[in-house]
Amino acid sequence: DAKTTQPPSMDCAEGRAANLPCNHSTISGNEYVYWYRQIHSQGPQYIIHGLKNNETNEMASLIITEDRKSSTLILPHATLRDTAVYYCIVRPFAPNNAGNMLTFGGGTRLMVKP
Amino acid sequence: NAGVMQNPRHLVRRRGQEARLRCSPMKGHSHVYWYRQLPEEGLKFMVYLQKENIIDESGMPKERFSAEFPKEGPSILRIQQVVRGDSAAYFCASSRQGTGELFFGEGSRLTVL
Repeated sequence: DAKTTQPPSMDCAEGRAANLPCNHSTISGNEYVYWYRQIHSQGPQYIIHGLKNNETNEMASLIITEDRKSSTLILPHATLRDTAVYYCIVRPFAPNNAGNMLTFGGGTRLMVKP
Repeated sequence: NAGVMQNPRHLVRRRGQEARLRCSPMKGHSHVYWYRQLPEEGLKFMVYLQKENIIDESGMPKERFSAEFPKEGPSILRIQQVVRGDSAAYFCASSRQGTGELFFGEGSRLTVL
């Protein structure tokens, strides 16, 4: 059962902001939103996570709606190297217990074009 | 500070042979996870281990697959009597406290002839 819904693919022009949406309408109060990406054939890379406040780090910004039912990952100035599959995942922040693993869905394939 | 190290990066086996994939977590990390990615498919969780303990193996096939994370040394994913359907990329990840921030290795790509 999918906890998140993402568009399968998106394009973005190089230098522009890439805004990747994610719907998580059944998110629980103790679940965080995590974003990872996988650049072709490489290991997944952690990007950012948040609970309810907007978050920013050196890679991206995460905007979570007030009702927490959706979020947007923003890459402020996309480069060709940001071409990747981006995964939005919800799970409790609590230490892993059996049955509480990061579950990767289909993600969004972002193509950054020159 | 070295990241998660996996070896071998590429492994070729004939049907019926055994494959052993090794994973050294990041320094200070005691939680290890194995994921499998079949060609053109998504990442599937296989097993979660802490030192000397299997915490969750709900994603492991019932037969031929086993994993361990001994007190000393790397975590090992072992596949006995490999079949062509085992051909995939196997990714290992580690975390410090078992939370959702995982650090992945570059993967081991198994090809079964």
